[in-house]
Formats: sequence, C-alpha cells, structure tokens
Amino acid sequence: RKEVEQDPGPFNVPEGATVAFNCTYSNSASQSFFWYRQDCRKEPKLLMSVYSSGNEDGRFTAQLNRASQYISLLIRDSKLSDSATYLCVVNRVDDYKLSFGAGTTVTVRA
Amino acid sequence: ETGVTQTPRHLVMGMTNKKSLKCEQHLGHNAMYWYKQSAKKPLELMFVYSLEERVENNSVPSRFSPECPNSSHLFLHLHTLQPEDSALYLCASTQHLAGGPTYEQYFGPGTRLTVT
Repeated sequence: RKEVEQDPGPFNVPEGATVAFNCTYSNSASQSFFWYRQDCRKEPKLLMSVYSSGNEDGRFTAQLNRASQYISLLIRDSKLSDSATYLCVVNRVDDYKLSFGAGTTVTVRA
Repeated sequence: ETGVTQTPRHLVMGMTNKKSLKCEQHLGHNAMYWYKQSAKKPLELMFVYSLEERVENNSVPSRFSPECPNSSHLFLHLHTLQPEDSALYLCASTQHLAGGPTYEQYFGPGTRLTVT
C-alpha cells in the first residue's frame, strides 16, 4: 500500500464552484500533514498545514480525520488561478522526512 | 536572494558528460533534500542531509553523487546518466529539531534535466 494516495482527478469545475477532494495515508502514527500546490513545470509550494481541529485560510479549508486516516481540501468560490495540482504530504514516522502523494489535478474553467 | 535557489534551471547533457546541479538556501535551515520528479509520478526522495551529514541515500544509483559542503549549499554531481534519468530535480530545505515536529519543506525552482 502506498504511504499517501490521492485521486488524480482531474476535477474540472466552473469558476465560483466548490471543489473538494481527499487523500488517504497509511501510517496511523503520522503527525504532520500539509497541502502543497504545484503549477505546471514549477516547484511545489506550501498551501497550508493541516491541524487536528481543521483549519481555514481564505477560500481553502483543510480537515483531518485520524480515525479514517484521511485529510481533505475544500476550495470555495474557485478562481481560474486555482488551476493546479494539489499534493497531499504526510510526515514519515520516526523521522523528519515527508511522503508526497502523486497529486490531484484541478482545472477551473471560465 | 531569498528562499531556495537552484542552478542551472535547464540542462541538456549527453550520456558521457559530467555535470553538477547546485542548490542554495537562504532560510537558515539545517536540513536539505534532493528529490526527483518524473512526469505523472510523485516526488521521489533521493538524498537527505541534516547538519551537513548525509542521513539518507534512498537506493539511488551511484551515477548520482551528492555533496553538502555547508548547511546552505547542496550539490548533485551527475555522470554517465541514462535517458530515464531525465526529470525535474528539486532541492528543498527545512529546519529540523531532534525530537520535534516535522516542519514544512521549501522548494527551489528545480533543474529540468534532459539526458540525450
């Protein structure tokens, strides 16, 4: 089983729509969770950390479900500029390295 | 300069060439990483340096040779590469605290490598 699994998508949504997707992780002892954004042919950039109680940053909401071992990202009021690949990232247990999912592609159309 | 920088941004090399990729971080971090990203695949961790010591070599072929002369600089020396080594090579850094939480990593813009 992969350490981090994501639905590759693509999720094609109109501007203004809400889009949400999940990521599952295999190790129940993982403690640190992040969402990164990667634009085509660019480096990944941190979008937001994911906290146990869930957290929001503007139009973006992240949730953590430890019992089912998944994290989610919800984007409200989608903008064209939200089109990107979203990477789910989880720390590897017992060390300080990160495991990356293959990414979920989101395309927002006008 | 701020953040993490990488040079060159693009590199085309033949299978018999020797070249080096350079990474520099300006964030005061103490851990640096090399990743490989091939098309449609997750990032693959190649090497990790913490406090200038290599702490992981993730079964990477010996034709890739890392070097970390200090906590701000990281090199990846390349020789006799294969076409399947063509990929985006990303450098990242973070602050590691022994026994502490895992912090986010900051990435450089990458070197897009093509092996002909």
